[in-house]
Amino acid sequence: DAKTTQPNSMESNEEEPVHLPCNHSTISGTDYIHWYRQLPSQGPEYVIHGLTSNVNNRMASLAIAEDRKSSTLILHRATLRDAAVYYCILRDWSSSASKIIFGSGTRLSIRP
Amino acid sequence: KAGVTQTPRYLIKTRGQQVTLSCSPISGHRSVSWYQQTPGQGLQFLFEYFSETQRNKGNFPGRFSGRQFSNSRSEMNVSTLELGDSALYLCASSLGTGTNEKLFFGSGTQLSVL
Repeated sequence: DAKTTQPNSMESNEEEPVHLPCNHSTISGTDYIHWYRQLPSQGPEYVIHGLTSNVNNRMASLAIAEDRKSSTLILHRATLRDAAVYYCILRDWSSSASKIIFGSGTRLSIRP
Repeated sequence: KAGVTQTPRYLIKTRGQQVTLSCSPISGHRSVSWYQQTPGQGLQFLFEYFSETQRNKGNFPGRFSGRQFSNSRSEMNVSTLELGDSALYLCASSLGTGTNEKLFFGSGTQLSVL
């Protein structure tokens, strides 16, 4: 699986948008971009995923660069409950369904 | 719909002992995968079971094993425990039909080896 690079930590204010960047310069054409987050004392939870086009769901938006070498997870209005470690992951459609290679992720802190 | 259930939540063992962890997936999910999480190594894939067969395996020694039952429930066993096996063990379930399906994780079993 191709590698992703994320900042170790970020801080944001409550009720403001948060942009979490992810670099994946070695992404292949069959790699999907997935985001999971892990709240304290919990297992990771799925946030969003995409291939080429930007994606939106009730939790977040995913903006994918035109060359697909980077992407940004956008939380439109951060709350204290969004404080977590966010993982950007590449998943090859041809590989095993459940073998995810997690990086070190970005620890997001939210200031009240 | 009930989530992924892992038992026990906490476990304390001593070196040399063995341990069995249990995972009940979401109803209808046929794939169960296991991960080890430590502060130093982060989240690492252990193995995946689908329809009672191991479908994929990570880079862990043979002391780590697992199995899956006909009802999709899974157990993970670690024999001859070492201090370095202290970790949060997470299990995740999914339908098992495609790479881009969501994984649903349990809250994990915190294992401490003394």
